[in-house]
Amino acid sequence: NAGVTQTPKFQVLKTGQSMTLQCAQDMNHNSMYWYRQDPGMGLRLIYYSASEGTTDKGEVPNGYNVSRLNKREFSLRLESAAPSQTSVYFCASSLAGVGSPLHFGNGTRLTVT
Amino acid sequence: GIQVEQSPPDLILQEGANSTLRCNFSDSVNNLQWFHQNPWGQLINLFYIPSGTKQNGRLSATTVATERYSLLYISSSQTTDSGVYFCAVYPNAGGTSYGKLTFGQGTILTVHP
Repeated sequence: NAGVTQTPKFQVLKTGQSMTLQCAQDMNHNSMYWYRQDPGMGLRLIYYSASEGTTDKGEVPNGYNVSRLNKREFSLRLESAAPSQTSVYFCASSLAGVGSPLHFGNGTRLTVT
Repeated sequence: GIQVEQSPPDLILQEGANSTLRCNFSDSVNNLQWFHQNPWGQLINLFYIPSGTKQNGRLSATTVATERYSLLYISSSQTTDSGVYFCAVYPNAGGTSYGKLTFGQGTILTVHP
């Protein structure tokens, strides 16, 4: 049972390049989330998907887009990467949003030069 | 939005010591969760605890929702307990932050052998 799987684990981009972070969960969870973690800022929610077919903005959505491809997969896209997007990105999932525990993937360390 | 404050920010222990970490929140919440981020960056869900007390081995947690705080107890600490401990809360329904898990800044725990 893999839980929440993120790819890639590491990525270096140049300013202006685009990329998609992939996330998949095999726990049949309904809700999925993308967070970023920066030193001194803790974990901040970028986007979330309460259920298949829905997505909503979190605290820091600017510069990102998401796609809930199906129940298992939730991707995060950076259309034109900026140095301010250098961060560690975590995908997470929960069975039923507010009413259930959150489970995280192992993270993607992204550097934008 | 809701404010989540954790204390102490840093804690250094000798192996075998006990400790208490505190999480205060500024408004009523649907639930509260505790996470451990190990030195490799992995985030592990320790407790889903909207109220009451739960125990898991050497760790236990208590949430008093009416007084807006939660405590995480670590007994007989081990070097593998080192890392960052986060609490996170879901605000109650009715505000714009409903459904968005808000994290505290974390407590950095170092356990020396």
